[in-house]
Formats: sequence, C-alpha cells, structure tokens
Amino acid sequence: GAVVSQHPSWVICKSGTSVKIECRSLDFQATTMFWYRQFPKQSLMLMATSNEGSKATYEQGVEKDKFLINHASLTLSTLTVTSAHPEDSSFYICSARISGSSRGGELFFGEGSRLTVL
Amino acid sequence: GDSVTQMEGPVTLSEEAFLTINCTYTATGYPSLFWYVQYPGEGLQLLLKATKADDKGSNKGFEATYRKETTSFHLEKGSVQVSDSAVYFCAFDTGGFKTIFGAGTRLFVKA
Repeated sequence: GAVVSQHPSWVICKSGTSVKIECRSLDFQATTMFWYRQFPKQSLMLMATSNEGSKATYEQGVEKDKFLINHASLTLSTLTVTSAHPEDSSFYICSARISGSSRGGELFFGEGSRLTVL
Repeated sequence: GDSVTQMEGPVTLSEEAFLTINCTYTATGYPSLFWYVQYPGEGLQLLLKATKADDKGSNKGFEATYRKETTSFHLEKGSVQVSDSAVYFCAFDTGGFKTIFGAGTRLFVKA
C-alpha cells in the first residue's frame, strides 16, 4: 500500500527556535497533503492543506506565519514551526491522498511527529 | 457545519466481547464515510470505508453500514481481541477533499 513517512518522529527544542517537519510520500505522488495537530486525548485538527507548487490553504485560526508550509514536489511537504513556544508542543501528523484519486479516496498518514518546546 | 460525533471512550471490553462504537455525522450532500484506526505508537490507517448509502464496509472482522436516514456509521465487531486495542476515528470526506474526523474512541481489550 501507499506509504507516507514523517521525519523527525520526535523533536525537543528551545523556545524561540524553529523546527522543520518533513512529510514524504514514498511510493506515490501526492498533489495534496494535509497537516494536522493532535492534542492528548483529542481528535485531529486540520491545520492546512498543502498544494504542490502553490500556497497552502490554512484553516481558520491557524497562523500561516507561524506554521510555514512548503510543498515543493509531488512527494514532499514540509511544516516549519517558527519561533516555537511551549504552547506549540503537540503531535503533528501529515496525510496524503494519491494524485488523481476522486472523492472517497482514503488518506494515507505519516507516523506523526511529537514536538516538545522547552 | 460539518461534524462527526462518536461515542466517548475509553471503552473497556473482555476478549471475545461484542463491540459497537457509535458514530453520527452532520454533512451536506452525500459524503464518503470512513473508520480509521490508530494503534499505540503508530499513525492512523484506514480500517474500512463506505461511499454510498446502504454500503457496508468491512475489514479484519469489523463492519459498518452507511445509514443515510440516520446519518450514522456505527462500527461493530462480533468478537474483539487484545490486538484490537487502539483508538478508532470515524470520519467523512466533505467532497472538497477535506476529511472531518470525530474525537476518537479509545478501546482497551482485556485478556
């Protein structure tokens, strides 16, 4: 099946630094990838939709200058948390849909990246 | 707006017990419906799906039927195993390629 890989799986950083998380589709092309945030014992909150070759679409309430998304190729999207603060500590998950798949197509998820900001 | 409501957990069952996790949705149009599962320490993966009314999705002994009249997609399994312990998410595709997730239901199965 289709595989999505995230890196790093966990990261600890100091407050004020920036952290980049990569999301790769290993064996398929993904025109669109999605970034989520998952709080403990809560559901996935969609942060943004990442579109290859164009600007990401952010959900209401998500700061686009804080969470920079780049989707430079059909297999890679990156999320950069800029000037991270403790409240940004969370589990970040990406997902992708195979390019050209119609509605009703499943999402393939990365393993998630746990960010801890000290 | 679009939303998914699923039963709160955690749900604790003994091995071989019957499982039901309720899920209802609010959506415009006719969405595709999904159940995703997240095993400990892993990412989410698709468990089953149904794309139109009265369709039944099934996988690994789990089943769910798309009930348009009650806007429900309840997950069932006749005999759970310890290895089924995980968090289960009900979700639907809005048709705009955006997927809406429920809050997740944690299942513990005791030997």
